[in-house]
Amino acid sequence: GQNIDQPTEMTATEGAIVQINCTYQTSGFNGLFWYQQHAGEAPTFLSYNVLDGLEEKGRFSSFLSRSKGYSYLLLKELQMKDSASYLCAFLDSNYQLIWGAGTKLIIKP
Amino acid sequence: DVKVTQSSRYLVKRTGEKVFLECVQDMDHENMFWYRQDPGLGLRLIYFSYDVKMKEKGDIPEGYSVSREKKERFSLILESASTNQTSMYLCASSPSPESSEAFFGQGTRLTVV
Repeated sequence: GQNIDQPTEMTATEGAIVQINCTYQTSGFNGLFWYQQHAGEAPTFLSYNVLDGLEEKGRFSSFLSRSKGYSYLLLKELQMKDSASYLCAFLDSNYQLIWGAGTKLIIKP
Repeated sequence: DVKVTQSSRYLVKRTGEKVFLECVQDMDHENMFWYRQDPGLGLRLIYFSYDVKMKEKGDIPEGYSVSREKKERFSLILESASTNQTSMYLCASSPSPESSEAFFGQGTRLTVV
């Protein structure tokens, strides 16, 4: 079967660093995505990893280990506007996106 | 920029009504998707389409149907709305079956009373 798991909620402080983890199980894998979704808004694309390793994009970085079925999204220098839900999803062997339930990130001053 | 537009941001309908949710994309994408999003459940795929007049069931198609008469437009139909279909509905498109990135519309929050 297939499944994907991420924490429901996390809290962090403005200016700090936070790591949001995502684990998945699947027999076929074609990449892993992270999306950001502000309350009441549509998800927007953050990153895509298909090979192992770290991809850095400004304050956000995403890591993938295919052998461990594990990814994380790292947010540095947190700002209040980073308060949002972060959705992890993988592309399965049929090129269908399988979504996690999302991690709600709360940033405190 | 890719633009995916959903016809309504908020809708309130009565139980038993037939409901149409429209989605239009302006980038000539082949793939279009309809999801619903409920707290704690993540995005669940209702239907998707890889081409005009083509449709495939997703994970939760019961109570829904779709129509894709033109490449840019993908409609979701609730044949007889029920209260358990109260949800946020998100339309998305992507360039091809193997494409990495999905672009989402702004969402329609449907309340069935």
